[in-house]
Amino acid sequence: KQEVTQIPAALSVPEGENLVLNCSFTDSAIYNLQWFRQDPGKGLTSLLLIQSSQREQTSGRLNASLDKSSGRSTLYIAASQPGDSATYLCAVTPNSGNTPLVFGKGTRLSVIA
Amino acid sequence: DTAVSQTPKYLVTQMGNDKSIKCEQNLGHDTMYWYKQDSKKFLKIMFSYNNKELIINETVPNRFSPKSPDKAHLNLHINSLELGDSAVYFCASSLGGQIYNSPLHFGNGTRLTVT
Repeated sequence: KQEVTQIPAALSVPEGENLVLNCSFTDSAIYNLQWFRQDPGKGLTSLLLIQSSQREQTSGRLNASLDKSSGRSTLYIAASQPGDSATYLCAVTPNSGNTPLVFGKGTRLSVIA
Repeated sequence: DTAVSQTPKYLVTQMGNDKSIKCEQNLGHDTMYWYKQDSKKFLKIMFSYNNKELIINETVPNRFSPKSPDKAHLNLHINSLELGDSAVYFCASSLGGQIYNSPLHFGNGTRLTVT
């Protein structure tokens, strides 16, 4: 059974710092991995999707990497800003039929001005 | 022009009541989902529909009945509400299903409180 773990559960950094969020998954048989952002009282916003054949994806100050064989992904945020404060969730799509997206519990990020 | 909209945003009701949550997407997606986020913020799939057909039905009590009148709508009806049903329910949609590498788009959630 696929399990997704995100460490740390919470992270606080000063504004301007570069940071890395970690995600690990137990089964490397995946179609893709997605990173989402969730603001309090809001739904999830898709940030980046990495297909199983890809190693990384970039969008602005965000860079996500995928090492499928070791079951790891990282989300790198450059030059963090207070507006980056949110919960970041990682999710994988197992490649066994219609198995649903499996989410981690998220990392709550606070960027202090 | 909200992409995935769900109503109501908040729902407070008593045990034993029946309630519905509505979801609509205007993205032209053909796959829609219901997720439940519990008090520990853990997100879990409940149902998935593709072109009005049920394709995923996780271990959910049969008090929960999804209905998809067309591919742009997926409503969730809950009978005989229980305290443990209190959670935030999220609707989502995607193009072509998860295996086609299309990102999910989420609504803002419905916070259900059962008293």
